[in-house]
Amino acid sequence: AQKITQTQPGMFVQEKEAVTLDCTYDTSDQSYGLFWYKQPSSGEMIFLIYQGSYDEQNATEGRYSLNFQKARKSANLVISASQLGDSAMYFCAMRDTGGFKTIFGAGTRLFVKA
Amino acid sequence: DAGITQSPRYKITETGRQVTLMCHQTWSHSYMFWYRQDLGHGLRLIYYSAAADITDKGEVPDGYVVSRSKTENFPLTLESATRSQTSVYFCASSPRRSKGQGKTQYFGPGTRLLVL
Repeated sequence: AQKITQTQPGMFVQEKEAVTLDCTYDTSDQSYGLFWYKQPSSGEMIFLIYQGSYDEQNATEGRYSLNFQKARKSANLVISASQLGDSAMYFCAMRDTGGFKTIFGAGTRLFVKA
Repeated sequence: DAGITQSPRYKITETGRQVTLMCHQTWSHSYMFWYRQDLGHGLRLIYYSAAADITDKGEVPDGYVVSRSKTENFPLTLESATRSQTSVYFCASSPRRSKGQGKTQYFGPGTRLLVL
């Protein structure tokens, strides 16, 4: 069965520093997609970044990058130059190969300190 | 561009009552999803739909019913609400694209449901 694990319930980072949020996954599929979403205190789910299992390069979107290590089945999110507005809940998710069903990890709450 | 909307945004009901949560999207996305979010569980898929009149169960479908008579609407009904169904419910949609980021899901604002 597919599974997403986020082992960090909460993280603190100083403003302007980089932070890595961990995500490991388990799947027997060869083709899958990995996503990160941000959920601020207002509650909405905001798509941040996507990585396909066959993508050779790590995905980047502005200050977000995904450190994809396929052999280790990890897909860590790196946020560079943290901002106060980055304080939020972050979810790692994986889509199965056959369709559009997506499973989510339990999330990591990030606190950015001024 | 309204995107994806949910109504009501907040709902209080009593155990045993039927409740319907509405979801509407203006993008003509083929796929639509219902999730519930509970502390410590992230989001769990309740039901999803690949197109009008095509629905399938997700991870936690018990106690819920869905329908999709039109592409843009995907209502979720709690037939007889229980306290364990107190949660935040998210609707999401995704376009019919075969590869990559095209399968990103776009979420509605959520409905906070309290069952007393």
